[in-house]
Amino acid sequence: EAQVTQNPRYLITVTGKKLTVTCSQNMNHEYMSWYRQDPGLGLRQIYYSMNVEVTDKGDVPEGYKVSRKEKRNFPLILESPSPNQTSLYFCASSPSTGLGYTFGSGTRLTVV
Amino acid sequence: GESVGLHLPTLSVQEGDNSIINCAYSNSASDYFIWYKQESGKGPQFIIDIRSNMDKRQGQRVTVLLNKTVKHLSLQIAATQPGDSAVYFCAENMGPSNDYKLSFGAGTTVTVRA
Repeated sequence: EAQVTQNPRYLITVTGKKLTVTCSQNMNHEYMSWYRQDPGLGLRQIYYSMNVEVTDKGDVPEGYKVSRKEKRNFPLILESPSPNQTSLYFCASSPSTGLGYTFGSGTRLTVV
Repeated sequence: GESVGLHLPTLSVQEGDNSIINCAYSNSASDYFIWYKQESGKGPQFIIDIRSNMDKRQGQRVTVLLNKTVKHLSLQIAATQPGDSAVYFCAENMGPSNDYKLSFGAGTTVTVRA
């Protein structure tokens, strides 16, 4: 089944403890992106990647890192999480320019 | 502020009636628009898209209308069903210099009354 898989689905962590949210897609898509979703703010792009080793900042990149060493994987790294990063995170992938993303099921992160 | 927004945060519709969800955008360079549906506990799901060289596009029970003159986008759902209850987002591709960037509105929550 064609899909975007995120792990974990739920995560509670403490301030300052580094964490990684994994994302993998099995559709051979070139483009991948991370979004965060907060009440009343919709989805905001954190980072995106156009291909292996090619990444760029979205609207809200502060406090996040990404890497794209393989085409299928696009992990999101929080080096020192803070409570304002408590949010619902979505990974998404797209086959080419101008086509809509396929989204994963989301990771609900709580930083205490 | 956001370049893509929805006129109403909530919409209540009787089962069997048609629904119309509206969206305004401010970037005249945007050339591609998408409607997503998000059910509780799930990620956004693609419904339908439209490019700026079109005014209308139809899918199964859904129609998207694009009015570039007033920068307005709408999603029409025919014969609304209980399974259509969800949050609906419009998304805007910001144009050739931002090919991979989709900007989303805050969403409209649609509730279908039995």
